[in-house]
Amino acid sequence: TQLLEQSPQFLSIQEGENLTVYCNSSSVFSSLQWYRQEPGEGPVLLVTVVTGGEVKKLKRLTFQFGDARKDSSLHITAAQPGDTGLYLCAGRAGGTSYGKLTFGQGTILTVHP
Amino acid sequence: DTAVSQTPKYLVTQMGNDKSIKCEQNLGHDTMYWYKQDSKKFLKIMFSYNNKELIINETVPNRFSPKSPDKAHLNLHINSLELGDSAVYFCASTPLGAGSTDTQYFGPGTRLTVL
Repeated sequence: TQLLEQSPQFLSIQEGENLTVYCNSSSVFSSLQWYRQEPGEGPVLLVTVVTGGEVKKLKRLTFQFGDARKDSSLHITAAQPGDTGLYLCAGRAGGTSYGKLTFGQGTILTVHP
Repeated sequence: DTAVSQTPKYLVTQMGNDKSIKCEQNLGHDTMYWYKQDSKKFLKIMFSYNNKELIINETVPNRFSPKSPDKAHLNLHINSLELGDSAVYFCASTPLGAGSTDTQYFGPGTRLTVL
C-alpha cells in the first residue's frame, strides 16, 4: 500500500510569512499533484509534477518533485489570507489514467491578516 | 455551467436507514470516482468507474454499492447506515487517455450525518 505522509498537519501564520508543506513517501510515484480545498467545496487542482527534480511556479507558490519521485514540497512566499485552506498532495502510481490517487493527510493552513 | 454536481449537499439520517447520493458530470469524461473524506480531512478513494464499468474497488463494506447508468452518472447507494459512515463523500471525474497526469475534477461533496 502506498502512503503519503504530509506535514505539518496544521499551520497558522501571519500574513507576509513564508511557509513550506512537505509530502513524503517510501514509494515512487509516476506523478504527484497538489490540490487546494476550501470549506464546503471539493479539492481543486493546483499543479501536477511528473519529472524527478521538477520545479513549477504558480505566482507565489513553488512546487518541487523530489529527484527520486518519492517526495514533494509546496512553498508559499509572502502568504496572504486568501491562501487559507486545506492543501492536499496526491500521488499516482502507474502510467494509466485508471491509476488511483493516494492522498496525503492534508495541511490546514490559516493565514491571519 | 460545466461541472461535477452532487445531490444532496447535506444528508442527515438515522442509523439503519438506506440512502443514495447522486453524481453527474457534463465534462464528457470517461472515468468517475467516489471518495470519502473523514473528520480529519483524509480523502480516500472508494470506487472508480470507466465507461460504466467498475475498475477500482477499494476495501469498502458491501453495504456500499455504486452504480453507473451511463458514463455521465455515478450513484452511490448505502444500506444499513452506521455511525462510522458519517463523512463527506466526493464524486470526481477525469478524462480518459491522458496518462498519469489526469486532473480530477471534484464535485462539491455530500455531507452525510448518521444519527
